[in-house]
Amino acid sequence: SFELTQPPSVSVSPGQTASITCSGNNLANQYTAWYQQRPGQSPILVIFKNDKRPSGIPERFSGSKSGNTARLTISGAHVDDEGDFYCQAWESAAASIFGGGTKLTVL
Amino acid sequence: DVQLVESGGGLVQPGGSLRLSCDASGFSLSDYTMNWVRQAPGKGLEWLGDISRTGYTISYADSVRGRFTISRDNDKNLLYLQMHSLRVNDTALYYCVRDGLFDYWGPGTLVTVSS
Repeated sequence: SFELTQPPSVSVSPGQTASITCSGNNLANQYTAWYQQRPGQSPILVIFKNDKRPSGIPERFSGSKSGNTARLTISGAHVDDEGDFYCQAWESAAASIFGGGTKLTVL
Repeated sequence: DVQLVESGGGLVQPGGSLRLSCDASGFSLSDYTMNWVRQAPGKGLEWLGDISRTGYTISYADSVRGRFTISRDNDKNLLYLQMHSLRVNDTALYYCVRDGLFDYWGPGTLVTVSS
């Protein structure tokens, strides 16, 4: 079955670059999206279609993909960027899947 | 502004039923596919299913197929999730989410399945 694998945690200091990966079989052929979930809040979309940024999302958030691995990069991480990040892809037109999530710590 | 507000959550016994609603505003519901996603306490996100703009096409995750039913009333701007045969591991915060891009999420409604 289709699974998306993320590292459980990533830790960076403020101002450093944070990078979160998402790997999955056949991900090369699927669009990937990324969602940020701050503690106690609903997820928000930060990247869609691999590398597109919704309006209102800071430019320090960027997405990329190489083969079956997608990557979310936060350039110059802020303390308030902390939270859980989830990747997501459509396994088929009738099934979506989320990665297990990565806890980003900025301190 | 786009708003999604879920309701109908609560405490239910194993084997019981519950119907969740999602009130959509700030956009025309009929223009978008809609999803239900849940999050068990301390766990990650799980897609449950989606419904096409007209309601003609509905898809479900394997974990809920046959027990949960998604429907919509575009005239009332409402999305529904009917849940039957609830299990303890269905305990979660249930989110209503707009579009295949999952671009807007409601605050969620908590469902607790416990005896």
